Amino acid sequence: GAGVSQSPSNKVTEKGKDVELRCDPISGHTALYWYRQSLGQGLEFLIYFQGNSAPDKSGLPSDRFSAERTGGSVSTLTIQRTQQEDSAVYLCASSLGGNLRGTQYFGPGTRLTVL
Amino acid sequence: AQKVTQAQTEISVVEKEDVTLDCVYETRDTTYYLFWYKQPPSGELVFLIRRNSFDEQNEISGRYSWNFQKSTSSFNFTITASQVVDSAVYFCALSGSQGGSEKLVFGKGMKLTVNP
Repeated sequence: GAGVSQSPSNKVTEKGKDVELRCDPISGHTALYWYRQSLGQGLEFLIYFQGNSAPDKSGLPSDRFSAERTGGSVSTLTIQRTQQEDSAVYLCASSLGGNLRGTQYFGPGTRLTVL
Repeated sequence: AQKVTQAQTEISVVEKEDVTLDCVYETRDTTYYLFWYKQPPSGELVFLIRRNSFDEQNEISGRYSWNFQKSTSSFNFTITASQVVDSAVYFCALSGSQGGSEKLVFGKGMKLTVNP
């Protein structure tokens, strides 16, 4: 009964570098979400994957952000050319998904610091 | 647009006091879910409760209770006989069917400090 796992737990990078954040959802959960938590903006939705459907990318703040989900399981959030304002905790959640059936369970997050 | 408002930003109480956390929401959806999550100092968001828009029955779970009132668009959370371990940031959240996504819209959170 493992929960959502995320790696790395902490990431420090230099401005302009690319970073990849990983999320392993709960086994059997078809829906996967990425959120960002920062002091100024609170908890913000970034992107949502549900099964084989096209992802909802409406929360991605710029085209420097992208995410993919391979094989309906693991997801990677990529931030290109990082900026200092990207510094935040990136949270992943998963749920049983579809038709509002699923409660979202969150991972421990990745704390990203852009110097 | 969906919106969740937690008017209180920070509350400090003494152990054994009761405390109520307010949550007011806005949505045009007729079907929606409301949630409370707890974020202790360790940082992980912990799910507490989910309530759907068709179920206004209040709920009690141990020292926790929730009061859902559609007439006032509120979903308040009460901790009875608070304990130091209740110290955390509490988030109210809303999930609807707008746009077909189940994304959560969160309030700004309320930091509860329970002092011994």
